[in-house]
Amino acid sequence: SQTIHQWPATLVQPVGSPLSLECTVEGTSNPNLYWYRQAAGRGLQLLFYSVGIGQISSEVPQNLSASRPQDRQFILSSKKLLLSDSGFYLCVLGQGYSGANVLTFGAGSRLTVL
Amino acid sequence: GENVEQHPSTLSVQEGDSAVIKCTYSDSASNYFPWYKQELGKGPQLIIDIRSNVGEKKDQRIAVTLNKTAKHFSLHITETQPEDSAVYFCAASPNNNYGGSQGNLIFGKGTKLSVKP
Repeated sequence: SQTIHQWPATLVQPVGSPLSLECTVEGTSNPNLYWYRQAAGRGLQLLFYSVGIGQISSEVPQNLSASRPQDRQFILSSKKLLLSDSGFYLCVLGQGYSGANVLTFGAGSRLTVL
Repeated sequence: GENVEQHPSTLSVQEGDSAVIKCTYSDSASNYFPWYKQELGKGPQLIIDIRSNVGEKKDQRIAVTLNKTAKHFSLHITETQPEDSAVYFCAASPNNNYGGSQGNLIFGKGTKLSVKP
């Protein structure tokens, strides 16, 4: 079965500091990977998706970037955090089953920017 | 593009009662409709899904119905228990392809369900 490892689980960072959230998946090859953000009390916002190594697409303009250096590794970064970057970040694995994209969410990383 | 509306945003029921959450979608080409449950501090977990060739699907106390003509689908939880308390998200997949943007799910804004003992 597939497993999603996401870390750190919680992070408190000052405004202007850098960010690196890491995600690795096991039990699958060539997965579709996503980063979602969930602001407090709000819905799920798609930030980035990747269909393969080095292939990153962004859904919204923002202060963040993503990279996929290896097939099963997905990284979310920022050079300088803003207060508005606070939120719950979710690494997500997408797999196709009978023509549908079934998403499996990681446990999440809670980022607080002060 | 696809747009998913979810209602209500909050729902409070007594233990043992039923709970119903409704979603509508706009893209008639959507063919996959999952429901996710998110407990406090955790990532959403898939609890049930339905494809467009099926009108209803049941798994123990939860069921999902789909009306493609009206473009709406609903989650039904019977005999609710306190552990059903969570935020529930519906979603729709806008086309048959998976992977990348084409296969991305469009989520509703969530329903916070509270089951009172």
